[in-house]
Amino acid sequence: DAGITQSPRYKITETGRQVTLMCHQTWSHSYMFWYRQDLGHGLRLIYYSAAADITDKGEVPDGYVVSRSKTENFPLTLESATRSQTSVYFCASEDVQGSYEQYFGPGTRLTVT
Amino acid sequence: AQKVTQAQTEISVVEKEDVTLDCVYETRDTTYYLFWYKQPPSGELVFLIRRNSFDEQNEISGRYSWNFQKSTSSFNFTITASQVVDSAVYFCALSEGDSGYSTLTFGKGTMLLVSP
Repeated sequence: DAGITQSPRYKITETGRQVTLMCHQTWSHSYMFWYRQDLGHGLRLIYYSAAADITDKGEVPDGYVVSRSKTENFPLTLESATRSQTSVYFCASEDVQGSYEQYFGPGTRLTVT
Repeated sequence: AQKVTQAQTEISVVEKEDVTLDCVYETRDTTYYLFWYKQPPSGELVFLIRRNSFDEQNEISGRYSWNFQKSTSSFNFTITASQVVDSAVYFCALSEGDSGYSTLTFGKGTMLLVSP
């Protein structure tokens, strides 16, 4: 399917466990982003990537790790999940060759118990 | 540091009313971009508009219009003749600089409820 997909869509995990959220885009956009959405905060940028093997921190990077070995994939890992990381996570890619629109994935709702 | 304020947490209107969603931003850059996104109850984020800091012309797209005023650091969004399908959370966002990509700072969003 064309577009940007995220998996899983829903995840429940326990405090202290490692969990990886996957993001895949089919447009070959160079830039990709991870945001978290929490009530009262809107969306906040966690990490972003300019290309394979190039990543940079956003506003709230603590407790998260990212990698980008291939242009189309941008996984986000919570190395030791905490309850404060319960959130909805959105991945996005940006068309920097044209509209500069960020296309968002459907989101992953993560609950840490 | 950049900041976006959407002071209206929730707005309720009756169908066919016009409604304006306010957005005030703060930035020290002279080059920046402003965005609006819509998040319907289904949860996805839908891009509505991107405007650069050098273009203060108002934009109209169907029932949607945007008023950008640098003098008041505002980028307000108006829906004319609102419809039930307009019910959603609307986010204003800002990206500073002209790096060729956008690291978005979002406001907290305004929930719009349009009743029949």
